[in-house]
Amino acid sequence: AQRVTQPEKLLSVFKGAPVELKCNYSYSGSPELFWYVQYSRQRLQLLLRHISRESIKGFTADLNKGETSFHLKKPFAQEEDSAMYYCALSGLSGGYQKVTFGTGTKLQVIP
Amino acid sequence: DTGVSQDPRHKITKRGQNVTFRCDPISEHNRLYWYRQTLGQGPEFLTYFQNEAQLEKSRLLSDRFSAERPKGSFSTLEIQRTEQGDSAMYLCASSTDRALGTDTQYFGPGTRLTVL
Repeated sequence: AQRVTQPEKLLSVFKGAPVELKCNYSYSGSPELFWYVQYSRQRLQLLLRHISRESIKGFTADLNKGETSFHLKKPFAQEEDSAMYYCALSGLSGGYQKVTFGTGTKLQVIP
Repeated sequence: DTGVSQDPRHKITKRGQNVTFRCDPISEHNRLYWYRQTLGQGPEFLTYFQNEAQLEKSRLLSDRFSAERPKGSFSTLEIQRTEQGDSAMYLCASSTDRALGTDTQYFGPGTRLTVL
């Protein structure tokens, strides 16, 4: 079974402060991890994926297999970062790729 | 192609009625997913198509739910004898299979179902 845990429902930070959104996962194989973001009144969209090791909008995330974590980080929060953030895991389940989402963390950047 | 589209965007129905939702994926995508999202939760997987074949179906999907993708393009999700617990946002996503199993999904805007 695969599981994704986002322990924080809400994270409030001041503009310019560092941000860390936590994500832990449970999966027996080699996972593919993603972060999706949903801005107000917009559809869910991919922010970044671990396999590409890219930085999008200043956000980065490193897969730590030892701690089974994929935390999302940004050194300086901006007001436009306020949104819902979902961590997701894609893995084989019953022979097919299955994507499991966490419950999400609402990031609120205070001006 | 403007991305994944879903129709209708909102549906209000009375308990016991049947409803059908449609999803049009990105044209070159062969994978299509249905999710359900309730307040305060992340998307929950319902079912998955590779082309026209329905490859996986969640235990969340009771016998009242059925999904089709007859020609490997658009998909429909039908809920029969709706119950108030079916009220949720129903999301569709599509992707294309590539090497290494990378599965970036592109989401539609969702259909919000309210069962009275």
